[in-house]
Amino acid sequence: AQSVTQLDSQVPVFEEAPVELRCNYSSSVSVYLFWYVQYPNQGLQLLLKYLSGSTLVKGINGFEAEFNKSQTSFHLRKPSVHISDTAEYFCAVSEGNNDYKLSFGAGTTVTVRA
Amino acid sequence: DVKVTQSSRYLVKRTGEKVFLECVQDMDHENMFWYRQDPGLGLRLIYFSYDVKMKEKGDIPEGYSVSREKKERFSLILESASTNQTSMYLCASSLPTFRDTKAGAFFGQGTRLTVV
Repeated sequence: AQSVTQLDSQVPVFEEAPVELRCNYSSSVSVYLFWYVQYPNQGLQLLLKYLSGSTLVKGINGFEAEFNKSQTSFHLRKPSVHISDTAEYFCAVSEGNNDYKLSFGAGTTVTVRA
Repeated sequence: DVKVTQSSRYLVKRTGEKVFLECVQDMDHENMFWYRQDPGLGLRLIYFSYDVKMKEKGDIPEGYSVSREKKERFSLILESASTNQTSMYLCASSLPTFRDTKAGAFFGQGTRLTVV
């Protein structure tokens, strides 16, 4: 069974500063990886996904993530955040042999301050 | 624009009541899911359906049941609501597998259920 660990529950950051949200997973088979964002009082929205190919994945709103198979990580980054990036971010994993279900991390709350 | 619609944003129910949460998707997706979201725990899968009348238990099915009579509609049922079922409930839909490059799960806005 897979598990997903988001290493930071809260990340405060100043506007225009970079941010990195860390995600590690445990799986012995191939995986598909996702980052979702949840703005206040809304559902989840897909930011980006890694299915195969290039390990650097670009998503919406200037976010990108890098898949590192040896470290079983899929960290999310943005070089310069805006106030509007204040939200909760979830890392999710789907295993290759069970590739119709998602397992989610506990979430990271990003608070962007002026 | 793809849409997953949950019938209620907020619900308040009494302990012991039978509660129905409804979800409709307009993308002709085969798979539909019910998740529960709690602070510090992320999203946990309650039930999953891969076809009409087909269902599979997720990680926390106890106290819940589901119904999928039509492809576009997936209902979550709390047989006898309890205070520990107070939570945010999220419905999602997707294609059969995530190998499809267009794939991802699409989520509804969520239903915040309070059981008193």
